[in-house]
Amino acid sequence: ETGVTQSPTHLIKTRGQQVTLRCSSQSGHNTVSWYQQALGQGPQFIFQYYREEENGRGNFPPRFSGLQFPNYSSELNVNALELDDSALYLCASSVGTLNTGELFFGEGSRLTVL
Amino acid sequence: DAKTTQPNSMESNEEEPVHLPCNHSTISGTDYIHWYRQLPSQGPEYVIHGLTSNVNNRMASLAIAEDRKSSTLILHRATLRDAAVYYCIRPSGTYKYIFGTGTRLKVLA
Repeated sequence: ETGVTQSPTHLIKTRGQQVTLRCSSQSGHNTVSWYQQALGQGPQFIFQYYREEENGRGNFPPRFSGLQFPNYSSELNVNALELDDSALYLCASSVGTLNTGELFFGEGSRLTVL
Repeated sequence: DAKTTQPNSMESNEEEPVHLPCNHSTISGTDYIHWYRQLPSQGPEYVIHGLTSNVNNRMASLAIAEDRKSSTLILHRATLRDAAVYYCIRPSGTYKYIFGTGTRLKVLA
């Protein structure tokens, strides 16, 4: 059984560019949540996908968007990058949507915006 | 407000027990309390969760106050590998977890 994998692990972009981050969920997990973690802060919820539909969203602007595919893998897209988007982006997979279960996190994609 | 309150940092000697406190005074009757930890350069890792009674697993114990307004994560014998940021989390709605800034645990050899 493979865990949650994210790619790329590190990347550098410039302001105004667009970025796509990818996440493969753990086998058997149908739900993916994305979090943004700024330096020295706890992770902040971006959104959750369940069975290819967005199931909930945190306080992030529409330029943060996502997709979930039939195999439950997921993408996070960020348009018009800003300096403050520099952060570690974490993907977490789980079974179902209720907040009573365990989240399995990947090691994250570290984005630097110059 | 779904945030929890934790001390910014704590220290422990190796092989000694560690009690990490958390206040969640506005928690509802059906919200679980979750604990995760984040080792350097890694994603958060599940530690334990519970609703009302005390919970134990191979990593830790969770003691929940009778009024559920606070809880304590107990590491029975701290090791150097337990040095991490520990997050006490309560859910917001049915799908969202709210992380605070956590407690940075330093374990002294």
